[in-house]
Amino acid sequence: AQTVTQSQPEMSVQEAETVTLSCTYDTSESDYYLFWYKQPPSRQMILVIRQEAYKQQNATENRFSVNFQKAAKSFSLKISDSQLGDAAMYFCAYRSAYNAGNMLTFGGGTRLMVKP
Amino acid sequence: NAGVTQTPKFRVLKTGQSMTLLCAQDMNHEYMYWYRQDPGMGLRLIHYSVGEGTTAKGEVPDGYNVSRLKKQNFLLGLESAAPSQTSVYFCASRTRDKSTDTQYFGPGTRLTVL
Repeated sequence: AQTVTQSQPEMSVQEAETVTLSCTYDTSESDYYLFWYKQPPSRQMILVIRQEAYKQQNATENRFSVNFQKAAKSFSLKISDSQLGDAAMYFCAYRSAYNAGNMLTFGGGTRLMVKP
Repeated sequence: NAGVTQTPKFRVLKTGQSMTLLCAQDMNHEYMYWYRQDPGMGLRLIHYSVGEGTTAKGEVPDGYNVSRLKKQNFLLGLESAAPSQTSVYFCASRTRDKSTDTQYFGPGTRLTVL
């Protein structure tokens, strides 16, 4: 079974600064997908960014980018120019490419606080 | 366009009571999921469905049952609630099309079992 670990329960960043959230995962599969989801106080889960394991290029979405290190099984999220609206819980998630149900396995989450 | 809705938003039960959580989606998605979220543990999959009339167990299925009688609805039942089932429950759905990977989540249901 795959596991996803987020070792930082809480992180803090100054507005306009850059912060990196860590995620590691354990799998024996070669083809999979990795995600970062944001959960604001409204509790809605919002997809931030998606990475396909067979692609070496790191995914980028505006101020959000990832550092995907497949050999190290590491998938960190970098948020540049942090904004107050970025304050939320962030979850790293894994999806096997071989699973018919397309289920997600989530990490425990990192609470990001943004200081004005 | 409502997306994924969940009913109710909050509920308090006594130990041993039963209840059903309703999830509805209007996006014609084939796949639907029920998760529970507990502090420090992220979201854990309870049950899921890959189509109308089909269900399967996830990571933490004990104490829950599900039904998918209609494509747009996915029901989660607790037959005899226990305090360990106090949690926030999320429903999600997605299309079968693997070219897109977005899971659409509902707003969650906060359940307290006394």
